[in-house]
Amino acid sequence: DTEVTQTPKHLVMGMTNKKSLKCEQHMGHRAMYWYKQKAKKPPELMFVYSYEKLSINESVPSRFSPECPNSSLLNLHLHALQPEDSALYLCASSQPGGLQETQYFGPGTRLLVL
Amino acid sequence: DAKTTQPNSMESNEEEPVHLPCNHSTISGTDYIHWYRQLPSQGPEYVIHGLTSNVNNRMASLAIAEDRKSSTLILHRATLRDAAVYYCILRDYSNYQLIWGAGTKLIIKP
Repeated sequence: DTEVTQTPKHLVMGMTNKKSLKCEQHMGHRAMYWYKQKAKKPPELMFVYSYEKLSINESVPSRFSPECPNSSLLNLHLHALQPEDSALYLCASSQPGGLQETQYFGPGTRLLVL
Repeated sequence: DAKTTQPNSMESNEEEPVHLPCNHSTISGTDYIHWYRQLPSQGPEYVIHGLTSNVNNRMASLAIAEDRKSSTLILHRATLRDAAVYYCILRDYSNYQLIWGAGTKLIIKP
């Protein structure tokens, strides 16, 4: 099974709402990632978890809060977002192993903030 | 920081080979070159990677220049299902992050 699943597929939320994005993988990977992708742009790295610990935070605003409850799950908690946060949010996983490691991506959650 | 430069878009006919170029003149000696592609409405998927030698797999071939300042992804016989944005990426040695190019949108004409 080389699949990364993400829920929900689509999400519309107001600026005062609190919502969460979920990501799951069963490949035994110990690194998990959140990316943000705007239209016609490459993905931008937001967070990296390695062995369930946050190892990289790319200066992401605190209205985005990641959580890694176990090695298979990754959440992204959203609170008080702005319209410019509307984007495709991608989750990925990999097995830490150096420069050759391959990242496996989920299909993404398309988020619209009104 | 090293970065990659790719053409914005390319067109090709179905069942013909496609050569997608990428320039990475500031690549460091230990950076791996990765290619991913993103089909419409999907997440990116891994295509191929290499360091110095040319590489082949079931999806594509990767030709790396001797000085490593450029590389070419080769799809030997493009199909309509290969229409996607192809990203040339360097794997950053210092922090293992992917440094993404802007991507080339490949259009396949039937």
